[in-house]
Amino acid sequence: GDSVTQTEGLVTLTEGLPVMLNCTYQTIYSNPFLFWYVQHLNESPRLLLKSFTDNKRTEHQGFHATLHKSSSSFHLQKSSAQLSDSALYYCALSDRLGGSNAKLTFGKGTKLSVKS
Amino acid sequence: GPKVLQIPSHQIIDMGQMVTLNCDPVSNHLYFYWYKQILGQQMEFLVNFYNGKVMEKSKLFKDQFSVERPDGSYFTLKIQPTALEDSAVYFCASRTANTGQLYFGEGSKLTVL
Repeated sequence: GDSVTQTEGLVTLTEGLPVMLNCTYQTIYSNPFLFWYVQHLNESPRLLLKSFTDNKRTEHQGFHATLHKSSSSFHLQKSSAQLSDSALYYCALSDRLGGSNAKLTFGKGTKLSVKS
Repeated sequence: GPKVLQIPSHQIIDMGQMVTLNCDPVSNHLYFYWYKQILGQQMEFLVNFYNGKVMEKSKLFKDQFSVERPDGSYFTLKIQPTALEDSAVYFCASRTANTGQLYFGEGSKLTVL
């Protein structure tokens, strides 16, 4: 089945430094949909970014990611980390955008801790 | 933005008892999901539900688990009987027909003693 692999465990950064959280995926479907969800402490996950267009950069709230089907990657980046970016980040994959059988396959999550 | 409500936020029960977790999805959403998150671990898919039926379930969705949404009321996850390994936060999520974006509730923390 589908799988998503993320940067393992905890990433600790100093405020102001760039953020890069890796995400690669495996699926038999040729047109996957990729998502980044963010979960702040004691909150529920919420959508940060989504993409289904190859080689097109998508941006939201200072974060950006580009889906590269050639390398099966969807890395999350930000030019300058802020303290408020500290959270758990999930990369997720769906083999279809909608329909009755669509489900998200989540990666294990990457915990980002930004320090001053 | 759209909100998914979950009740209760926290429940403590003894092993072997039954528990029902309730989810009030976003009003125009048709697809409903449950995810399980053990403390410190990733979220894992349990089940998705549409038009009164389970569409897909994972290996984590044991025989003791059941879901339903009678007459458009709460979308529920029932565990009967509960086991120690069922202790986790359970997230409900919903979406519309045409998007993969899930809206998550705040979670129901279940502690089985």
